[in-house]
Amino acid sequence: TQLLEQSPQFLSIQEGENLTVYCNSSSVFSSLQWYRQEPGEGPVLLVTVVTGGEVKKLKRLTFQFGDARKDSSLHITAAQPGDTGLYLCAGVGNTGNQFYFGTGTSLTVIP
Amino acid sequence: EAQVTQNPRYLITVTGKKLTVTCSQNMNHEYMSWYRQDPGLGLRQIYYSMNVEVTDKGDVPEGYKVSRKEKRNFPLILESPSPNQTSLYFCASSVRTTFQEQYFGPGTRLTVT
Repeated sequence: TQLLEQSPQFLSIQEGENLTVYCNSSSVFSSLQWYRQEPGEGPVLLVTVVTGGEVKKLKRLTFQFGDARKDSSLHITAAQPGDTGLYLCAGVGNTGNQFYFGTGTSLTVIP
Repeated sequence: EAQVTQNPRYLITVTGKKLTVTCSQNMNHEYMSWYRQDPGLGLRQIYYSMNVEVTDKGDVPEGYKVSRKEKRNFPLILESPSPNQTSLYFCASSVRTTFQEQYFGPGTRLTVT
């Protein structure tokens, strides 16, 4: 089992604040994905990062893959109530068939 | 509409009574997978399938079976459910590319008493 640890586990912030969620592992992954899950629904893919050191931006969300492909971060600028949800990182194994999910970060953005 | 469907959405059963959770996708995806989600543990992969008649174990396969006789369907079978299999189950599918964008179903909440 390849473990992925996310921090923080819970985050409650005011609208307009910035935040960063971390996803760390001792294992190397071929790629790293970030999902957002809302109550009663399945996770929805936000981004896949493939290359060590890669940075991807999706509007107010910035995703970074560590140089060694073991860790990743998600930064949200000027958080909005619509960003509320459970954020999950997932490491993709070398064969591309196995996925290892982090424990999740539950984000609440207060209006 | 492109989607992954699961049935049933909710199921309460008793220990030892065989059950099947169905999963179907209409996107012609080769890859399908089952996960369970438990508080504090995140999603854990149970089984996956790379194509028809090709299945393999994920991280937590004990107590589960799967089959892939058709490309669109990937049922999860619990031959003799136990209370520790109480969980929220998700099916997912994807095209096998570098980016492996998985599409998840809505989930099946299973309670085994």
